[in-house]
Amino acid sequence: DAMVIQNPRYQVTQFGKPVTLSCSQTLNHNVMYWYQQKSSQAPKLLFHYYDKDFNNEADTPDNFQSRRPNTSFCFLDIRSPGLGDAAMYLCATSRLGQGGEAFFGQGTRLTVV
Amino acid sequence: AQSVTQLDSQVPVFEEAPVELRCNYSSSVSVYLFWYVQYPNQGLQLLLKYLSGSTLVKGINGFEAEFNKSQTSFHLRKPSVHISDTAEYFCAPVDDYKLSFGAGTTVTVRA
Repeated sequence: DAMVIQNPRYQVTQFGKPVTLSCSQTLNHNVMYWYQQKSSQAPKLLFHYYDKDFNNEADTPDNFQSRRPNTSFCFLDIRSPGLGDAAMYLCATSRLGQGGEAFFGQGTRLTVV
Repeated sequence: AQSVTQLDSQVPVFEEAPVELRCNYSSSVSVYLFWYVQYPNQGLQLLLKYLSGSTLVKGINGFEAEFNKSQTSFHLRKPSVHISDTAEYFCAPVDDYKLSFGAGTTVTVRA
């Protein structure tokens, strides 16, 4: 059974048109993360939520925002996608106190045209 | 802050041969260490983890890794690879409950 679900798997958006990627989890984990992974690179942490507390990485552009309306769902909003934002976006969850093991979704591949 | 170095970006290997992927981390605090595998167009899957205890850790798909504190290493090994092991492998220490990934090692298994 899928535990971290990302929708959609593939998303095409126009340059400058806002886009939202979604992530849901059935694990009841208190931490949720968003990573950006460009081609042939390692995943890069954009931000994470610890419960309702939002934690932004220092180098995450303002163009990227996130919402976590409840424990199960987390959204990544890209306000004005540029060509450089084309990437795989990975959602992950973990439970603090269990060694930090993160469970990943299948990812959403974003194409900007 | 932690950093992690994966010493090999590409590792070609023949089927049924052994493979070792090297990972060195730097940290001044206790660490949790992970190896993840990523198949094309997929998310990351946990191969194995070191939290504490025995320094030799066994994971899924026949992989194992050895934690070496004095050398700050956590190398991944498999004694006999299959074609299906072709993938990207990431070493990832945890610092303050956040994973930071190495650059990755691409393993290509050839018949």
